Amino acid sequence: DADVTQTPRNRITKTGKRIMLECSQTKGHDRMYWYRQDPGLGLRLIYYSFDVKDINKGEISDGYSVSRQAQAKFSLSLESAIPNQTALYFCATSDGGRGNTGELFFGEGSRLTVL
Amino acid sequence: GENVEQHPSTLSVQEGDSAVIKCTYSDSASNYFPWYKQELGKRPQLIIDIRSNVGEKKDQRIAVTLNKTAKHFSLHITETQPEDSAVYFCAASRNGGSQGNLIFGKGTKLSVKP
Repeated sequence: DADVTQTPRNRITKTGKRIMLECSQTKGHDRMYWYRQDPGLGLRLIYYSFDVKDINKGEISDGYSVSRQAQAKFSLSLESAIPNQTALYFCATSDGGRGNTGELFFGEGSRLTVL
Repeated sequence: GENVEQHPSTLSVQEGDSAVIKCTYSDSASNYFPWYKQELGKRPQLIIDIRSNVGEKKDQRIAVTLNKTAKHFSLHITETQPEDSAVYFCAASRNGGSQGNLIFGKGTKLSVKP
């Protein structure tokens, strides 16, 4: 089955460390997103990309950076992790072409804890 | 800034009853309104969506209504079943742009008691 895969699924790190969360997809979608989920706050968009050469900031991009290495890969980096970046991170994809229904397909999530 | 308010934050119903979740949005340019269901420990999944040129959409036991003038939309689940228990998120597209660039509500935890 075509899917969205995130690694690592769980990570515990210390304040100040650099962390990378990776996302790969086999859905053939051109659009990829990183969302953050905090209890009671819903999902908030960090960055999104419509193509390999396209990167856009979301509503909470400060403290994060992204890289779209290929159509199928989109990674999220925390250059110097801080405790309030402890959260569940979701990668998502959508089809921007003829199959565009607007639906987001989420990965299973990466739970990050910053001590 | 742009905002989506969702109510209630928790909802408990008896099996077979109906459940209604309401959302309001602030961005008048929003034109796409999806609803996602997230079961415990799982990823969010789209259950229904509606676009601004439609007032109501139904899919079996779930329906969504949209009032663009009032900037609110609602999810209706009829004949609830225990497997409907989950957190439900409404969302609205941002700035009338990409359907994936969404503003989410904070979620409603629905519990359906057998």
